[in-house]
Amino acid sequence: AQTVTQSQPEMSVQEAETVTLSCTYDTSESDYYLFWYKQPPSRQMILVIRQEAYKQQNATENRFSVNFQKAAKSFSLKISDSQLGDAAMYFCAYSPQTSGTYKYIFGTGTRLKVLA
Amino acid sequence: DSGVTQTPKHLITATGQRVTLRCSPRSGDLSVYWYQQSLDQGLQFLIQYYNGEERAKGNILERFSAQQFPDLHSELNLSSLELGDSALYFCASSAYDRGAYEQYFGPGTRLTVT
Repeated sequence: AQTVTQSQPEMSVQEAETVTLSCTYDTSESDYYLFWYKQPPSRQMILVIRQEAYKQQNATENRFSVNFQKAAKSFSLKISDSQLGDAAMYFCAYSPQTSGTYKYIFGTGTRLKVLA
Repeated sequence: DSGVTQTPKHLITATGQRVTLRCSPRSGDLSVYWYQQSLDQGLQFLIQYYNGEERAKGNILERFSAQQFPDLHSELNLSSLELGDSALYFCASSAYDRGAYEQYFGPGTRLTVT
């Protein structure tokens, strides 16, 4: 079964510091995409970053970067220079590309608190 | 603003009732996905439509059904509602039927069953 695990229900970081959110997944597929979504108190789901499994290079979007370890099936999100606006729930999501269904499988989320 | 619209924003109804949630995808997007997010949980995939046809089914109850119309908007019908159906229901759209192209989420419909 394809599963996504986020083992940190809650994390805290000081403003301007760096924090890493963990995500592991289980799949037998070889072709897939991974995503991090942010859900602020408004509940809107906002795409933060995506990673194609066939790419070895880790994705980066401004202050957000990932550490993608395909063999270990690990996909962590690093937030640098944390800002108060980064406080939100963060969801890791997996999307297979070869099984004929392209749904997202989400983890249970990590609540990030940013301390001033 | 993702370009995906959902109506209504909030819905309060009683057990046993039936409701319809509506979703309009981004312009040009052919795929629509429905997800359910119960309180403080992750999102659970319910169903996907592509250009009017059902493409994939997830953990969708038999009391729930969906369809996508020729103008590509989609409706999720929930019947014989139970207290446990209270949740945030998200619709998402993508340009292709492949998940490689990220899904853009609507603002959600918050359903409260009393």
